[in-house]
Amino acid sequence: GAVVSQHPSWVICKSGTSVKIECRSLDFQATTMFWYRQFPKQSLMLMATSNEGSKATYEQGVEKDKFLINHASLTLSTLTVTSAHPEDSSFYICSARDSGRLSYEQYFGPGTRLTVT
Amino acid sequence: LAKTTQPISMDSYEGQEVNITCSHNNIATNDYITWYQQFPSQGPRFIIQGYKTKVTNEVASLFIPADRKSSTLSLPRVSLSDTAVYYCLVEDSSASKIIFGSGTRLSIRP
Repeated sequence: GAVVSQHPSWVICKSGTSVKIECRSLDFQATTMFWYRQFPKQSLMLMATSNEGSKATYEQGVEKDKFLINHASLTLSTLTVTSAHPEDSSFYICSARDSGRLSYEQYFGPGTRLTVT
Repeated sequence: LAKTTQPISMDSYEGQEVNITCSHNNIATNDYITWYQQFPSQGPRFIIQGYKTKVTNEVASLFIPADRKSSTLSLPRVSLSDTAVYYCLVEDSSASKIIFGSGTRLSIRP
């Protein structure tokens, strides 16, 4: 089956620094990837839609200058949390759709736990 | 995007059949219904997807009435490992973004 990986699986950083999270589709191509954030005991909240070769589309209330998204290839999207603060600590999850299949199934990555101290 | 409504939580026992119902009154003609399972600190995992009537796979069944305003996920003979959060989603036919609802926290007891 289709696999999406994320790296790193967890990261601890100091306040004010930047952190990059990678999302890769391992055995399929994805023109569109999605980034979600999930706080404890809450549902996934869509942050942005990442489109290969073009600018990401951010959801209302998500700061595009703080959460930089780059989708440079059909198998890789990155999310960079700039000038991280403790309130950015969360579980970040990406997902992707297989561009070569007529299916609405999204394949989710395992998530990245970000802790900002 | 159609909104979905599910029970916040459900409890059951090992070996029982569990049915989780989801309401999606504003579903559009071309929308599909998809259910995902999520364990703590993991990404959601696809369970089943359907458009109408009944769909069955190796882990679950999905029942969708003719008006498609609701759907029921059926998990046969649950075990402790089925304790998770289950999300019902309505996916836009244009393959654009999807929005997660609150999900149903299912707890299975011995």
